[in-house]
Amino acid sequence: GAVVSQHPSRVICKSGTSVKIECRSLDFQATTMFWYRQFPKQSLMLMATSNEGSKATYEQGVEKDKFLINHASLTLSTLTVTSAHPEDSSFYICSALDLRRPETQYFGPGTRLLVL
Amino acid sequence: SQQGEEDPQALSIQEGENATMNCSYKTSINNLQWYRQNSGRGLVHLILIRSNEREKHSGRLRVTLDTSKKSSSLLITASRAADTASYFCATDEGNTGKLIFGQGTTLQVKP
Repeated sequence: GAVVSQHPSRVICKSGTSVKIECRSLDFQATTMFWYRQFPKQSLMLMATSNEGSKATYEQGVEKDKFLINHASLTLSTLTVTSAHPEDSSFYICSALDLRRPETQYFGPGTRLLVL
Repeated sequence: SQQGEEDPQALSIQEGENATMNCSYKTSINNLQWYRQNSGRGLVHLILIRSNEREKHSGRLRVTLDTSKKSSSLLITASRAADTASYFCATDEGNTGKLIFGQGTTLQVKP
């Protein structure tokens, strides 16, 4: 099946720093990727839709200046958490749509962010 | 926004028993999907059922969909300890590709 990777898998940073998370579709082209956030023992909350070559679309309540998304190629989307604070600590998961099978999203393994 | 509600929130059964999880949603859908998540990991797609389908099977999984009640159920038969995980339903939002996830059911299968 289609494979999506995320890097890094785990990151610990100091408050105030910025963290970049990469999401790659390894064996298919993804014009659309999605970023989710998951707090402990909770469900996934959609943060934004990342479209290749255009601006990301953010869900209500998600600060676009804090969570910068760049989708520069058909296989890579990046999420940058700027000026991270402890409340940004969470599990960030991306998914990608394979145009050959548009009904199914393929999820990355997630990135655990801990902001001290 | 989260539109799906799942019950039970937590389920603990013995190996060999069946596990049933339910999901309700609020808006019209094109399809409903079930995903599995092992602790601290990404999601694995289990099964997709379209709005014009009522039941679907995949191995030990059986999914039903009742669009009149806006609900779906996932049945795992002859459960195994390896089935221990969280299970989420997700509905599509129009033709945007967005998925709205339910709150999830945490399943523990005791050996």
